[in-house]
Amino acid sequence: SQQGEEDPQALSIQEGENATMNCSYKTSINNLQWYRQNSGRGLVHLILIRSNEREKHSGRLRVTLDTSKKSSSLLITASRAADTASYFCATRGGSNYKLTFGKGTLLTVNP
Amino acid sequence: SQTIHQWPATLVQPVGSPLSLECTVEGTSNPNLYWYRQAAGRGLQLLFYSVGIGQISSEVPQNLSASRPQDRQFILSSKKLLLSDSGFYLCAWIPGDYGYTFGSGTRLTVV
Repeated sequence: SQQGEEDPQALSIQEGENATMNCSYKTSINNLQWYRQNSGRGLVHLILIRSNEREKHSGRLRVTLDTSKKSSSLLITASRAADTASYFCATRGGSNYKLTFGKGTLLTVNP
Repeated sequence: SQTIHQWPATLVQPVGSPLSLECTVEGTSNPNLYWYRQAAGRGLQLLFYSVGIGQISSEVPQNLSASRPQDRQFILSSKKLLLSDSGFYLCAWIPGDYGYTFGSGTRLTVV
């Protein structure tokens, strides 16, 4: 079954605006990761946040994690048309390296 | 450098035909390897993972099988394809305690 669930399913914004995507999960995790997928391509790892971290930055990306609410958010600032893609959260629990993915958020950035 | 190769990129196969998808990694040894499937508009479903030669763990019962004949080779197979086997198949490996690195994927259409 799906562990992570992204919200919203689709998001359309104008270039320059910020985009926020949310992810909720059900069980305890070791870390949570965000991935990007351009249409018809493989997934690209964006950022990983561990269960003992609350916030992490990477360039225009900001990820937060609230383990008490079992939720995470991905913020993309100053969006560009090239950011148009599907974004997935994935959780890793326990000592194994298996990741469980959500269904993703389709982000469209209009020029 | 560490790279992952997956082929073919696209495949159209008739129902009842066999399947063999290959994934190889370079620049590392004894990697954990994974096969995921992505149905249209859905998230990724873990099919198989392997922690070493000859070691295969199946996540969901299905019409597919996997094998790891060599340290850096992971093969996804089927003896007789079903229509429901159509999808986007992704191979991945994990370089340590970081995010997955995915192959470019194989688009399988069973007709």
